[in-house]
Amino acid sequence: RKEVEQDPGPFNVPEGATVAFNCTYSNSASQSFFWYRQDCRKEPKLLMSVYSSGNEDGRFTAQLNRASQYISLLIRDSKLSDSATYLCVVIGGFSSGSARQLTFGSGTQLTVLP
Amino acid sequence: DGGITQSPKYLFRKEGQNVTLSCEQNLNHDAMYWYRQDPGQGLRLIYYSQIVNDFQKGDIAEGYSVSREKKESFPLTVTSAQKNPTAFYLCASSLGTGRQYFGPGTRLTVT
Repeated sequence: RKEVEQDPGPFNVPEGATVAFNCTYSNSASQSFFWYRQDCRKEPKLLMSVYSSGNEDGRFTAQLNRASQYISLLIRDSKLSDSATYLCVVIGGFSSGSARQLTFGSGTQLTVLP
Repeated sequence: DGGITQSPKYLFRKEGQNVTLSCEQNLNHDAMYWYRQDPGQGLRLIYYSQIVNDFQKGDIAEGYSVSREKKESFPLTVTSAQKNPTAFYLCASSLGTGRQYFGPGTRLTVT
């Protein structure tokens, strides 16, 4: 099993739709979680951190479910400009032999259609 | 402006040549990272460094080398031993193991 797994894409949704992505992680000792957005041929940029109590930023809501070991990202009233790849990042708790503590998911591609 | 710079944005090389990608940050971050991204794929860690004069292999270090002589700089050399060097290379830095800040990336094409 991969350390971090994301919903396979692509997600194609109409403008105005609500869409949700999940990201599961294997190690219950993981400590910090983030969602990044990556536009085509660009670098990833932080979208939002994920807090234990859940957090909202405008149309975006991030949640953490420690019991089931996943984080989620909900986008409401999706816009054409939301089209991008969304990457989850999990920090801490992994023992991969290299002492690296940060793992990226492979990303979920979202296309918002007019 | 604070941030991470990578140069060049596009790089073309002939097979068999070594090439060095630049990464500089003025965020005063201790940790720096190099990732490789192939089309339609996620980020794979090549090397990372948590302090000056120290660095660790990531998941795909074979065919790559790095140095960390200064806190601000973490150059990556793609050697001729790397079998499939054509990719998008991303450099990142962080304060400890927290949020990572990325540079704009270098697209390397080897023919």
